[in-house]
Amino acid sequence: ELKVEQNPLFLSMQEGKNYTIYCNYSTTSDRLYWYRQDPGKSLESLFVLLSNGAVKQEGRLMASLDTKARLSTLHITAAVHDLSATYFCAVDIAGTGTYKYIFGTGTRLKVLA
Amino acid sequence: NAGVTQTPKFRILKIGQSMTLQCTQDMNHNYMYWYRQDPGMGLKLIYYSVGAGITDKGEVPNGYNVSRSTTEDFPLRLELAAPSQTSVYFCASSYSGGNTEAFFGQGTRLTVV
Repeated sequence: ELKVEQNPLFLSMQEGKNYTIYCNYSTTSDRLYWYRQDPGKSLESLFVLLSNGAVKQEGRLMASLDTKARLSTLHITAAVHDLSATYFCAVDIAGTGTYKYIFGTGTRLKVLA
Repeated sequence: NAGVTQTPKFRILKIGQSMTLQCTQDMNHNYMYWYRQDPGMGLKLIYYSVGAGITDKGEVPNGYNVSRSTTEDFPLRLELAAPSQTSVYFCASSYSGGNTEAFFGQGTRLTVV
């Protein structure tokens, strides 16, 4: 059974600081996705990582994928209050012929002014 | 663009009642999904479909049924509602070729009392 774990579950950080969110998964996959969810809202796609070593950046967020370690990271640079949200990673199981996304536990980020 | 549309947005059910959550997408995606999100938690896959007439169970299918008669629509049926089914339900869709993220609807907030 595929398990997707994120840490930390909760993160409170000061504006201007850097931090990394980790996403570990338990089975072979070379496709990983990051989403953002604001309170009471739906999920918004942030990054699509499709191969080992993939790196994507958008503003203050950078995501990377290491399929051999089964690990993805979401790095936050010089955090600002607007980044406060819950961040989810999701893994698409490889080799099954279907595409179903299994989500991590989520990381609730609060950036303090 | 409408994307993925869910109705209703909110619903209160009494224990033992039944209802259908509607989901439609206008992106011609073959893959569709139903997830539930309990308060403060991640998303759990209930059912998914890889095309009209084809559905399969996800992580937490008990108490739910689905059907997929058209590419656009993927309704979720709750039979004999229970308090444990109080949750926010998200419908999502993705392109059949894989290597792409899922797009989410705005969610249905269901309370069973």
